Amino acid sequence: QAVVTQEPSLTVSPGGTVTLTCGSSTGAVTSGHYPYWFQQKPGQAPRTLVYHTSNKHSWTPARFSGSLLGGKAALTLSGAQPEDEAEYYCLLVYSGTVVFGGGTKLTVL
Amino acid sequence: EVQLVESGGALVQPGGYLRLSCAASGFIFSTDWMNWVRQAPGKGLEWVANINPDGSASFYVDSVKGRFTIFRDNPKNSVYLEMTSLRPDDTAVYYCFSGGGYWGQGTPVTVSS
Repeated sequence: QAVVTQEPSLTVSPGGTVTLTCGSSTGAVTSGHYPYWFQQKPGQAPRTLVYHTSNKHSWTPARFSGSLLGGKAALTLSGAQPEDEAEYYCLLVYSGTVVFGGGTKLTVL
Repeated sequence: EVQLVESGGALVQPGGYLRLSCAASGFIFSTDWMNWVRQAPGKGLEWVANINPDGSASFYVDSVKGRFTIFRDNPKNSVYLEMTSLRPDDTAVYYCFSGGGYWGQGTPVTVSS
């Protein structure tokens, strides 16, 4: 089964910009992997921020955006807020099977 | 409003059986892939299984193949996860997750003697 890699941890200053990435052991991530991005805060269920590379839900703050960057899926946060401190997971689809990344702990400091 | 409500989680002995249910509302259930995802205490998210919209195809993570079965009942807007031969490392909160990006609140499963 494929391995999906994320940065274990990142720190961003309030108001700053940070990009989280999601790579695949099988090669470049494409739109055919239908990348998703999720945010999870302690004690809460995950919530979807971005699906299918760059589509947002109605609840997704405008400061989050998804893309493909350098062979990886990417989640960019522009103008970080204290409430954005959380664990972020990506997900890739491989012909039906699904693999989550290990998560990125984002600190806003 | 979209809702996914899981139920069926419990404390069960190793080797035991559980059936989890997920009731969906607020979206067109019959057109969406449905997934079960779990999270062991203090760990990350792990995909467990999924099923296509008409129920004709399903996929599993290797660790549950042959033990877990996912199925759906589209007229009832529900998806299920039948779990047999449960092991302590199946202990986790189990979430229902739709391909459109909706999540339930999870149901806890504890496998322990």
